[in-house]
Amino acid sequence: DAGVIQSPRHEVTEMGQEVTLRCKPISGHDYLFWYRQTMMRGLELLIYFNNNVPIDDSGMPEDRFSAKMPNASFSTLKIQPSEPRDSAVYFCASSSPRGGPRDTEAFFGQGTRLTVV
Amino acid sequence: SQQGEEDPQALSIQEGENATMNCSYKTSINNLQWYRQNSGRGLVHLILIRSNEREKHSGRLRVTLDTSKKSSSLLITASRAADTASYFCAPQTGANNLFFGTGTRLTVIP
Repeated sequence: DAGVIQSPRHEVTEMGQEVTLRCKPISGHDYLFWYRQTMMRGLELLIYFNNNVPIDDSGMPEDRFSAKMPNASFSTLKIQPSEPRDSAVYFCASSSPRGGPRDTEAFFGQGTRLTVV
Repeated sequence: SQQGEEDPQALSIQEGENATMNCSYKTSINNLQWYRQNSGRGLVHLILIRSNEREKHSGRLRVTLDTSKKSSSLLITASRAADTASYFCAPQTGANNLFFGTGTRLTVIP
């Protein structure tokens, strides 16, 4: 497996524009996580899914943020409208092979560096 | 808060020395995981220690867990310049989510 794949790797957009970040988890993993990393706030858990269902979105900062997982192999994180304070590195991670133990390591993608100007 | 808090925030050592990083947490856990992040990259899993374990080894890594004190430590022996990275702990509860702190930034000077 190629690991968790995120796209794009870099995104520069103007304030007010819609931004969509994409993630392909490792095949067979039950859990998918979205994180945001900044110098000031560290690594924040935004939302996570189990079997494509959102379990906890309490980390989503505002209604401008939304996440979907239409199937087991794809998830999106959308920001609409974007603001300069959304600039950060966004990571997707997946874990827990289906049918395996629940408490396993998480595998991270390479991240999307978002800059909102 | 379910996240771990790493200490110190930054650590600078000479190559060949040992590096010790600490983690404290507040909730009951199923396991605690340590991750490493190289600059500009995603996190990479290093080691997982379960709540009924006290110590675990993996190569040059040694992790301890004290559930009575809600703390863990990561020891890297005989450090190398390539160990320069940020290190994060993540206590894991039954909910299977992982919360990370701000990490310890380790610099190993050649």
